[in-house]
Amino acid sequence: NAGVTQTPKFQVLKTGQSMTLQCAQDMNHNSMYWYRQDPGMGLRLIYYSASEGTTDKGEVPNGYNVSRLNKREFSLRLESAAPSQTSVYFCASHKGGFGYTFGSGTRLTVV
Amino acid sequence: QKEVEQNSGPLSVPEGAIASLNCTYSDRGSQSFFWYRQYSGKSPELIMFIYSNGDKEDGRFTAQLNKASQYVSLLIRDSQPSDSATYLCAVNSYLNTGTASKLTFGTGTRLQVTL
Repeated sequence: NAGVTQTPKFQVLKTGQSMTLQCAQDMNHNSMYWYRQDPGMGLRLIYYSASEGTTDKGEVPNGYNVSRLNKREFSLRLESAAPSQTSVYFCASHKGGFGYTFGSGTRLTVV
Repeated sequence: QKEVEQNSGPLSVPEGAIASLNCTYSDRGSQSFFWYRQYSGKSPELIMFIYSNGDKEDGRFTAQLNKASQYVSLLIRDSQPSDSATYLCAVNSYLNTGTASKLTFGTGTRLQVTL
């Protein structure tokens, strides 16, 4: 099993550009999440999807949108990137009763 | 008050010693608690989870939970240089109607195991 796969691994954007971070899991998990990790701030929840067809905001949703394309895939879109969105982004999936499995992360720099 | 609090460290222990990592949380309704290990530049990796008060052991790792004190800890016995990493405490809580949950993380404790 590949687990949780994220693409791309690295990205540099100019301010105002848009991009979509892709995430796919092959564990048949219902719930999927997007977190960002910044130095000294820990992991903070951006958006989550409890099940296929549903999405909801987490702690820091401003500037982001998400799409739960199907049970496997959950994408995160930055419509107009800002330097404050420079971060490491992690996708995770979860099945009740067990820990969350994380993807390898996307390191995004907005200049 | 932060929802999940950890001392950022670094916590330095000699090889072979016991490392003790601590975490407090604010939501009394939290039901499950997780410890993740994160090496620099890598993603978090689940080490242990605990649901019930008391101790839970897995190899060199022991998780301890005290819900009355809202306290969870991780002990690492016979610490090795390869244990040097940041340890993230995470607390699971239910969202909205209870059909979904989220993990809230502390900022992590950096552990250094010295030779």
